[in-house]
Amino acid sequence: AQSVAQPEDQVNVAEGNPLTVKCTYSVSGNPYLFWYVQYPNRGLQFLLKYITGDNLVKGSYGFEAEFNKSQTSFHLKKPSALVSDSALYFCAGGGYGGSQGNLIFGKGTKLSVKP
Amino acid sequence: EPEVTQTPSHQVTQMGQEVILRCVPISNHLYFYWYRQILGQKVEFLVSFYNNEISEKSEIFDDQFSVERPDGSNFTLKIRSTKLEDSAMYFCASSRDSTGSVPSFGPGTRLTVT
Repeated sequence: AQSVAQPEDQVNVAEGNPLTVKCTYSVSGNPYLFWYVQYPNRGLQFLLKYITGDNLVKGSYGFEAEFNKSQTSFHLKKPSALVSDSALYFCAGGGYGGSQGNLIFGKGTKLSVKP
Repeated sequence: EPEVTQTPSHQVTQMGQEVILRCVPISNHLYFYWYRQILGQKVEFLVSFYNNEISEKSEIFDDQFSVERPDGSNFTLKIRSTKLEDSAMYFCASSRDSTGSVPSFGPGTRLTVT
């Protein structure tokens, strides 16, 4: 069965420090993977995606993610966290070539950045 | 930048009542989706819609649910007879095509069934 896992319910980081939000996947075929961010009472905002090409993907607000096929991971990273990055982060994925709208979401990771 | 919009932002209904959740996808998008997120749980796919018909649906999308594109702009999700367990945040999404473009999500409608 296809799945996306976010092993951490919450990640706490001090402002200015690097952050990592973890995601692993199990999807059929070549995966396509996304990161979305959700602020309180808001919808899901797209951050970045991997479909093909470079394993290091750069996205909005200084975020990046590295696709690692051998480890089946797609961890979200940022070199220097901001307090405003505090939000709920979702990793999502699906099988390449299939309907991209039918995404499988991870449970979400709450990122808390303290000043 | 164009956005997906959803109305209402919050809907309270009694068990057994019908509800219609409304969405206006981005105007040049052709694929439309509904997802739901029960409080504290993951976002789950419900249904995808293209060319005026359902292209894919999940096990959650049973006979109580239906979708419709009644005109050129709206995309609706109807729950025929709501149950307590239908309480959730419902997200509409749209994309330009089925592969390669990113689904854009609306802000969600919080449905509370009492």
